[in-house]
Amino acid sequence: NAGVMQNPRHLVRRRGQEARLRCSPMKGHSHVYWYRQLPEEGLKFMVYLQKENIIDESGMPKERFSAEFPKEGPSILRIQQVVRGDSAAYFCASSPPAGQGNTIYFGEGSWLTVV
Amino acid sequence: DQQVKQNSPSLSVQEGRISILNCDYTNSMFDYFLWYKKYPAEGPTFLISISSIKDKNEDGRFTVFLNKSAKHLSLHIVPSQPGDSAVYFCAASLFNFGNEKLTFGTGTRLTIIP
Repeated sequence: NAGVMQNPRHLVRRRGQEARLRCSPMKGHSHVYWYRQLPEEGLKFMVYLQKENIIDESGMPKERFSAEFPKEGPSILRIQQVVRGDSAAYFCASSPPAGQGNTIYFGEGSWLTVV
Repeated sequence: DQQVKQNSPSLSVQEGRISILNCDYTNSMFDYFLWYKKYPAEGPTFLISISSIKDKNEDGRFTVFLNKSAKHLSLHIVPSQPGDSAVYFCAASLFNFGNEKLTFGTGTRLTIIP
């Protein structure tokens, strides 16, 4: 069984460019979560999505950040006009539909470096 | 507002002995707790979980204890092995309230000394 797949693993962007991070959940999982880990810090929740719906975006910065999980295809975390402070590891996680398990599994992460 | 706290940033334990990692939380509504292990440059790996209706869950060398009245949980690893050296994160959720997002502690770096 393939786990949570994230790409790219490493991404370098210049200030002002856009970054797009992709996440394919585990097979059979319908819930996707994005977390961010800044250097020397823990994991901070950003957004929780189900297919075509944002369930909880309380951890998303109000500007420049957006996320989607379309009916077909991977979930995408988009960061517009990146700044140096966006440099971090971005982790995607997935879990099964309600009633089918309550463990969240993480991908290997995407490391964004803004230069 | 750090709702999940791991007050020990690091811990060193001799190989073969017991490792005890601690975690405290402030939100009494949390009803599901998990421990994850993380190596550098990798994603967190699920280790073990416990529902708030239990006070203990065991899986091989890993045991999680939950004290709801103290809002405290701990992870016991016995015997500790060199491969256990990693950062351990405690996490909590409001699973039965329909919100499965995890709130993480800041992590404890465990070093197993051969």
